[in-house]
Amino acid sequence: DGGITQSPKYLFRKEGQNVTLSCEQNLNHDAMYWYRQDPGQGLRLIYYSQIVNDFQKGDIAEGYSVSREKKESFPLTVTSAQKNPTAFYLCASKIGGIGQPQHFGDGTRLSIL
Amino acid sequence: AQSVTQLGSHVSVSEGALVLLRCNYSSSVPPYLFWYVQYPNQGLQLLLKYTTGATLVKGINGFEAEFKKSETSFHLTKPSAHMSDAAEYFCAVTSPGGDKIIFGKGTRLHILP
Repeated sequence: DGGITQSPKYLFRKEGQNVTLSCEQNLNHDAMYWYRQDPGQGLRLIYYSQIVNDFQKGDIAEGYSVSREKKESFPLTVTSAQKNPTAFYLCASKIGGIGQPQHFGDGTRLSIL
Repeated sequence: AQSVTQLGSHVSVSEGALVLLRCNYSSSVPPYLFWYVQYPNQGLQLLLKYTTGATLVKGINGFEAEFKKSETSFHLTKPSAHMSDAAEYFCAVTSPGGDKIIFGKGTRLHILP
């Protein structure tokens, strides 16, 4: 079955550590996205990428970094500079073209120890 | 600029009653609109989308939405609520360039027995 796989489902981070969240898709989608979800705030865009080796900052990119070395993969690193990283992180992808919907993974919940 | 306003962060309806979730949008170009549903600790699932053509759009699980350009609205309805409809619902609009989707803050739907 085609889809988006996020791993791990739950992740714990100590203060001062960087952590990397994995996102893999086998839908052959061109664009990929990372969102942060906090209660009552909806989805906020962190980074997105429309093609390999290129990505753009979203609304809340500070404290995060990404790479897009392969079409299928778009890992997100939460750096120690992100002071409030506890949240639910969602990865999405979509095929090229205006009006196409995004497809989502099942998310990673990150907590600070 | 594109934006989405969902009226009511929480909506409660009785099982078997009409479900109405309100969404108003602002768009500088003809909009592409979406409704997504999210169950606890899961990703978002596409319910339905409006691109062009028929203004009444039917989706999965018995939901439908009507695009009203004059009212800049895209309200989601279901004739008879089911306990399994309890979830969070997000309305969204495509950005002018089509590279991003702007989400509303979500409406949590509660179903009363």
